[in-house]
Amino acid sequence: QSALTQEASMSGTVGQKVTLSCTGNTNNIGSYAVGWHQQISHGAPKTVMLGNSLPSGIPDRFSGSKSGTTASLTISGLQPEDEADYYCSTWDYSLSAWVFGGGTRLTVL
Amino acid sequence: QVQLQESGPGLVKPSQTLSLTCTVSGDSISSNSGSYYWSWIRQPAGKGLEWIGRIYTSGGTNNNPTNYNPSLKSRVTISIDMSKNQFSLNLSSMTAADSAIYYCARGARFNGNYIFDYWGQGTLVTVSS
Repeated sequence: QSALTQEASMSGTVGQKVTLSCTGNTNNIGSYAVGWHQQISHGAPKTVMLGNSLPSGIPDRFSGSKSGTTASLTISGLQPEDEADYYCSTWDYSLSAWVFGGGTRLTVL
Repeated sequence: QVQLQESGPGLVKPSQTLSLTCTVSGDSISSNSGSYYWSWIRQPAGKGLEWIGRIYTSGGTNNNPTNYNPSLKSRVTISIDMSKNQFSLNLSSMTAADSAIYYCARGARFNGNYIFDYWGQGTLVTVSS
């Protein structure tokens, strides 16, 4: 059971806008920024969002936001290469541990 | 460009201790330009990511506190060797349930919060006799 809850799967067509969510509580998302990590075909994770900031080299169709205890990753203009598993992560001060969501498998139709 | 690379045995016998090393290149592990949390994370086959623990660096200080996943705390030790720009993981009493891909990652400070920004490629560890 993950401390952060994500959709198990989502899908979209090329060019569509999709929003992935990550729900936690006041001990984690409510208190700290969230990272989003993309894992393509079980390769190494790659960070695509640092809170609401884009890492260098990540396309600006990716954006991040947070409201209360839920963080969101939005991909505007979905591309075939965006098909991947996406994980959210943040610190939890109650658990004294870094926590991850269970991951969302995004399929591009 | 910061790069992290894991190294260590791919096969460990049950009850043995796993020792992995993460070598950092492209920046000093104890950079004077900031403070970082260096973490180990694992992923069993077909499953999600699990944080193992972290060690903190800030400038050249020798004070490097650690935090560990409560579920693994009794078996985990993370240490750092600044002269080699490496940090290491020891996980004792290995069982088949510890078989996974092990990643190292850097947690950097963004707007007051630490977030994983760079990851290693991962190394597969199998526990079997």
